[in-house]
Amino acid sequence: NAGVTQTPKFRVLKTGQSMTLLCAQDMNHEYMYWYRQDPGMGLRLIHYSVGEGTTAKGEVPDGYNVSRLKKQNFLLGLESAAPSQTSVYFCASSHSIVGNQPQHFGDGTRLSIL
Amino acid sequence: GENVEQHPSTLSVQEGDSAVIKCTYSDSASNYFPWYKQELGKGPQLIIDIRSNVGEKKDQRIAVTLNKTAKHFSLHITETQPEDSAIYFCAAMAYKYIFGTGTRLKVLA
Repeated sequence: NAGVTQTPKFRVLKTGQSMTLLCAQDMNHEYMYWYRQDPGMGLRLIHYSVGEGTTAKGEVPDGYNVSRLKKQNFLLGLESAAPSQTSVYFCASSHSIVGNQPQHFGDGTRLSIL
Repeated sequence: GENVEQHPSTLSVQEGDSAVIKCTYSDSASNYFPWYKQELGKGPQLIIDIRSNVGEKKDQRIAVTLNKTAKHFSLHITETQPEDSAIYFCAAMAYKYIFGTGTRLKVLA
């Protein structure tokens, strides 16, 4: 049982380049989330999805786009990378909000923007 | 807006001692309080959670207490071991998850 899988694990980009981070979950979860983790700031929500074909903005959405074309996948895109987007990105999923279900996290993508 | 304050930001204890991490939340509608452990190079993993109808929950060396009146909850780790060294996050959930800023726990051998 893989849980939540993120690819790639590491990436270095130049300013202005674009890329897509992929998140896949095999738990049939409805909810999926993208967070960024910066030193001293904990986990900040970028975007989330409450089901296939839906997305919504989180706390820090600027500079990012997302898509949820399939229930098991949640993609995070950077159209024009900036040094301020250097961070560790985590994807998470949960069964639902109702019933207070925990989130399950992937192991992260470490992204450096030069 | 809603927030969760977590203290301390760093904590060093001797092996075998206890460690306590405290969180305070602002949204009185919060009713679910998970704790996550993040090891180096890994994502956060759920270690224990508590719901608002329970005041305390224990799982071996780990316990969580909840005081809804004061809006704070705490993680207690007894008989700490070197493998307990990690970053710990609390979270409070009403209609969405709000995470604390994390505590880096170091257990000194």
